[in-house]
Amino acid sequence: QKEVEQDPGPLSVPEGAIVSLNCTYSNSAFQYFMWYRQYSRKGPELLMYTYSSGNKEDGRFTAQVDKSSKYISLFIRDSQPSDSATYLCAMTGGAGGYQKVTFGTGTKLQVIP
Amino acid sequence: EPEVTQTPSHQVTQMGQEVILRCVPISNHLYFYWYRQILGQKVEFLVSFYNNEISEKSEIFDDQFSVERPDGSNFTLKIRSTKLEDSAMYFCASSPDTDTQYFGPGTRLTVL
Repeated sequence: QKEVEQDPGPLSVPEGAIVSLNCTYSNSAFQYFMWYRQYSRKGPELLMYTYSSGNKEDGRFTAQVDKSSKYISLFIRDSQPSDSATYLCAMTGGAGGYQKVTFGTGTKLQVIP
Repeated sequence: EPEVTQTPSHQVTQMGQEVILRCVPISNHLYFYWYRQILGQKVEFLVSFYNNEISEKSEIFDDQFSVERPDGSNFTLKIRSTKLEDSAMYFCASSPDTDTQYFGPGTRLTVL
């Protein structure tokens, strides 16, 4: 079983839709959860991070962590064409400590005008 | 807003040659990292660096790789004898603590 599982997509939605992106993980030692956005041939850009179970909201983005189910989500409200990118979930705190970030494979999102 | 910068943006080299990839982390950050992303694959951790020494490394980071902080601003990744399978995007990242990491734009390494 992979440490972090993420559906690669692609996910195609109309502009204005609510987008739900998800990851599951197997390592219960993970404590810190992040979402990165990556445009084609660019570096990952940190969107949000959370340290515990629950929700965290930032503008149109909401990150949700359920540590009991080992499941994290990112919701994007009122999606825009500029949101089209690959979204990477990432986490730390396993055997690699807090310095090694373990990434999912990324979900490619396309928002159609 | 401060950013991590990396040079060059694209490096082409012959198999067996040494390459040095350069990074300038965000100035007040204390932790530095290198990751790589082979085309179409996930981002993979290579090494972390703190207080002038390697703090963690992955199984990918073998004896062909080394890192250095030669001065107060640069952080480098050296690959001594490049192989075809070293072709990838290499990302530098930095963080002020052990939490959030900020990534640079990457260097695309092509080994011929």
